[in-house]
Amino acid sequence: AQSVTQPDIHITVSEGASLELRCNYSYGATPYLFWYVQSPGQGLQLLLKYFSGDTLVQGIKGFEAEFKRSQSSFNLRKPSVHWSDAAEYFCAVGSAGGATNKLIFGTGTLLAVQP
Amino acid sequence: DTGVSQDPRHKITKRGQNVTFRCDPISEHNRLYWYRQTLGQGPEFLTYFQNEAQLEKSRLLSDRFSAERPKGSFSTLEIQRTEQGDSAMYLCASSFGGWPQHFGDGTRLSIL
Repeated sequence: AQSVTQPDIHITVSEGASLELRCNYSYGATPYLFWYVQSPGQGLQLLLKYFSGDTLVQGIKGFEAEFKRSQSSFNLRKPSVHWSDAAEYFCAVGSAGGATNKLIFGTGTLLAVQP
Repeated sequence: DTGVSQDPRHKITKRGQNVTFRCDPISEHNRLYWYRQTLGQGPEFLTYFQNEAQLEKSRLLSDRFSAERPKGSFSTLEIQRTEQGDSAMYLCASSFGGWPQHFGDGTRLSIL
């Protein structure tokens, strides 16, 4: 069965520091991978997605992610974090079984940014 | 593009009552999804519509849950005889083909 693991429940970084959020997936075929961000009390916003091709994908807000098939990982990175990046981040794998394209989410990583 | 709209944003109800939530997808999006998110967890898939047809329901969707999407536009999610375990954020997402990429801000349900 498809699954997503986000090993870090909570991460704190200083403003201006670099960031890497980890995501590992389990999927039998070539995965469709996504990163979303959720601010408190709000819905999810898509940051970036990987379907195929270049394994380094660029997203909005200065985020990027790298797909590594050998490690079953899709880690999210940002070179310099801003205070406004404080939020919860979810990694998801797309499950294309049957008639539905549905997302299977990890449990999320809560990012805190120190001034 | 006005985004996915959900109403109400918050709902507080007593155990055993029925509740109904509404989702208005982005105009002309043919796919609509409902997800449930409990505290400290990622969203979990509940059900999916393509136009007006409900094509898949999760095992999470017990008989007390029903969803509709008449005319392939807005959708409603009804929970009958609510239980404490139904307390969660209910998220709606829509897309034109492909994957659920546009989420609403959700309806937070609290059961007293």
